Amino acid sequence: GESVGLHLPTLSVQEGDNSIINCAYSNSASDYFIWYKQESGKGPQFIIDIRSNMDKRQGQRVTVLLNKTVKHLSLQIAATQPGDSAVYFCAATIGGSNYKLTFGKGTLLTVNP
Amino acid sequence: GAVVSQHPSRVICKSGTSVKIECRSLDFQATTMFWYRQFPKQSLMLMATSNEGSKATYEQGVEKDKFLINHASLTLSTLTVTSAHPEDSSFYICSAMTGHTGELFFGEGSRLTVL
Repeated sequence: GESVGLHLPTLSVQEGDNSIINCAYSNSASDYFIWYKQESGKGPQFIIDIRSNMDKRQGQRVTVLLNKTVKHLSLQIAATQPGDSAVYFCAATIGGSNYKLTFGKGTLLTVNP
Repeated sequence: GAVVSQHPSRVICKSGTSVKIECRSLDFQATTMFWYRQFPKQSLMLMATSNEGSKATYEQGVEKDKFLINHASLTLSTLTVTSAHPEDSSFYICSAMTGHTGELFFGEGSRLTVL
């Protein structure tokens, strides 16, 4: 089966710094990837997605990079704010849709004021 | 935007009882809904895929007789944890998808505590 994992379980940054959260996936057939933010006691919140025909996608203060060669993706958050403190999950799927996402382990991001 | 509502958000029950959790898509029709379970400090694990009008598809290792899923309408799926035990205590999250390849929206989760 497919597994999606993260390199670091926790990340602590200073307010205003840039944050980089990494994720590795194992199934080379994965072709759609999503980053989610989950605050304590809440459901996942969509941040940004990327398809396998792209290697970079930018949103508001966030950028996702995809390296299919090494099956790795990252989420970059610019000018990290205290409100960004949460657990971040990457998710992957096959078939280019949201069908049956497989989630990674999660990284807890703590932003220090 | 589209909203997915779960009810109850928190439930405490005694061991051996059954608990039903509802997942509703409030402003769209969801042909497909997914149920996830999340233990503390862990990731979301897909339990089952719920398709309106048909039987749910369970992931390997998930007991279908333990976790009953009913998707009787395009806006409602229910998860019933039967004969709950303390090890069933977890955060249960549903998501709903518009169409078969559409957008996906997550509920806020339901925290089950079995005493």
